[in-house]
Amino acid sequence: DSGVTQTPKHLITATGQRVTLRCSPRSGDLSVYWYQQSLDQGLQFLIQYYNGEERAKGNILERFSAQQFPDLHSELNLSSLELGDSALYFCASSVGGGAGDTEAFFGQGTRLTVV
Amino acid sequence: GDSVTQMEGPVTLSEEAFLTINCTYTATGYPSLFWYVQYPGEGLQLLLKATKADDKGSNKGFEATYRKETTSFHLEKGSVQVSDSAVYFCALRPIIQGAQKLVFGQGTRLTINP
Repeated sequence: DSGVTQTPKHLITATGQRVTLRCSPRSGDLSVYWYQQSLDQGLQFLIQYYNGEERAKGNILERFSAQQFPDLHSELNLSSLELGDSALYFCASSVGGGAGDTEAFFGQGTRLTVV
Repeated sequence: GDSVTQMEGPVTLSEEAFLTINCTYTATGYPSLFWYVQYPGEGLQLLLKATKADDKGSNKGFEATYRKETTSFHLEKGSVQVSDSAVYFCALRPIIQGAQKLVFGQGTRLTINP
């Protein structure tokens, strides 16, 4: 158990809908990262938050947004869903947020299926 | 941009065989390098890491050496077990001021037969 909790574990929804994925980082970790794992794109970095502020952005679509709340949990919002958004979404957390040597711990992921 | 290329799988070996999974990278400067493992139905777990050239990361019998001259970080294990069956990801962490992210390879699925 990495200490990173993601809910829900599985989600099935229809095209055009909106969903929210939730992540609770390890106790004491200030950074949260979101990754998307799909068959064709592999593991792609989406976005990083550090202590409530956005720190880095990767290949995140405009239909997707994220935020980190004062209690440090994070939510990833996916809207106007398309079939191609079906993927495993991972959250990771780490103590630091800079370029230092801090390990990122991954949750078990939320498997999103868009039908 | 930064990228990681690892050998395509799937790789199937017999128990006690020697394992090598190749990984090469393209990056600016001296990124940190990692191997992550994903067991069925689970998230990614850090297997080992190296933060500077010539460092050797090791864990659970696995080893990888940071080779700057060949931009490589190949994963090796002398004698694999059935329990090593998983997907292995090579990754780098670029040097970005004030931020962290991981750039992953495509993953290599390893199956060990008894």
